[in-house]
Amino acid sequence: GENVEQHPSTLSVQEGDSAVIKCTYSDSASNYFPWYKQELGKRPQLIIDIRSNVGEKKDQRIAVTLNKTAKHFSLHITETQPEDSAVYFCAARPSGNTPLVFGKGTRLSVIA
Amino acid sequence: DAGVIQSPRHEVTEMGQEVTLRCKPISGHNSLFWYRQTMMRGLELLIYFNNNVPIDDSGMPEDRFSAKMPNASFSTLKIQPSEPRDSAVYFCASRPGLAGETQYFGPGTRLLVL
Repeated sequence: GENVEQHPSTLSVQEGDSAVIKCTYSDSASNYFPWYKQELGKRPQLIIDIRSNVGEKKDQRIAVTLNKTAKHFSLHITETQPEDSAVYFCAARPSGNTPLVFGKGTRLSVIA
Repeated sequence: DAGVIQSPRHEVTEMGQEVTLRCKPISGHNSLFWYRQTMMRGLELLIYFNNNVPIDDSGMPEDRFSAKMPNASFSTLKIQPSEPRDSAVYFCASRPGLAGETQYFGPGTRLLVL
């Protein structure tokens, strides 16, 4: 089955710097890759997603890139702010009617 | 849209007691997922349903755990008897269908078993 690896597990950046979180997946048939943000004590919330027919997607300060050949995708946050501090999860959906497979999460701390 | 609704939001119980967690998916969503989240194990998929039918319960840790979905708007996760190691946050999530994409999480139930 699908396996999603996420790195790093923790990341600290200075406010205003960029943050990059990387994920790899194993099933080349996976075709949907969402990213979730979970603030302390809250639910995971979708912040951006990308489909396998697209290489990059951007929404204000966040962007996601997908390399199907290498089977990896990344989340980029620019001009980080303290409110970006949270745990971020990547996920992949194998083809067909299957659930998302989540990475283990990255705890991002933005230091003011 | 009210989103996914879970109850209770917090539950404190004693070891050996029965615990029932409840979930109402987003109206029109055909797929429902139960997850457990702990610091040690992260986000684990316990079971999921499609059109009220359990599809895969291989993530359910033990026979003490059971889940039902009697209709399209309601699901329960039951733990009987509960043990301290069951303490975790339990999330319910739904999406329009298994072939659908965007998955929405409920607020979670924080369970503490003493």
